[in-house]
Amino acid sequence: DQQVKQNSPSLSVQEGRISILNCDYTNSMFDYFLWYKKYPAEGPTFLISISSIKDKNEDGRFTVFLNKSAKHLSLHIVPSQPGDSAVYFCAARLGGGSNYKLTFGKGTLLTVNP
Amino acid sequence: DAGITQSPRHKVTETGTPVTLRCHQTENHRYMYWYRQDPGHGLRLIHYSYGVKDTDKGEVSDGYSVSRSKTEDFLLTLESATSSQTSVYFCAISGQGSSYNSPLHFGNGTRLTVT
Repeated sequence: DQQVKQNSPSLSVQEGRISILNCDYTNSMFDYFLWYKKYPAEGPTFLISISSIKDKNEDGRFTVFLNKSAKHLSLHIVPSQPGDSAVYFCAARLGGGSNYKLTFGKGTLLTVNP
Repeated sequence: DAGITQSPRHKVTETGTPVTLRCHQTENHRYMYWYRQDPGHGLRLIHYSYGVKDTDKGEVSDGYSVSRSKTEDFLLTLESATSSQTSVYFCAISGQGSSYNSPLHFGNGTRLTVT
């Protein structure tokens, strides 16, 4: 039973336009959400995060939106650049614990075309 | 790369042989993790450690064991490798001691092929 779902395996956008990557979750006990970016032959790198008590977090070109009632979050990249082409993973953490285990989605391959 | 080194970076082994992957960190972080990445599955947690000699299972721990005898090293062992364990393995660390919301940082992975 997948608790974090990224239903779009791939997304293609033009350079300069907005990229919107979506993520749905099923467990209402998740309290913290993260996005990671992964290039081939490298490890995932942390991109941006949001606490469940917020609905938006912005960092430069990257904005994450959280809709708790819909159990949905999205990552907006504006403007998209060719260097943004990578696999993006959504991840979530269960609240209340003292450790830091993340549950990941399957990832979305973003291709930004020049 | 947040001071994380995984070794080896690539390995090919035969079914039934033991394999040990090593993760070394220079950040003195308390928490260390092993994940595997497979097509169609994303990243799945195998085992994690919350201190020296303190480890626990993740969601796909069958066939794997871990050891952490010192803060900087976290070893993942496949006692008898199977073809289903062909995967890319990522080590991660967390500096949770400084911030509850500090994210995991990953190494560059070990690509393991079991023939």
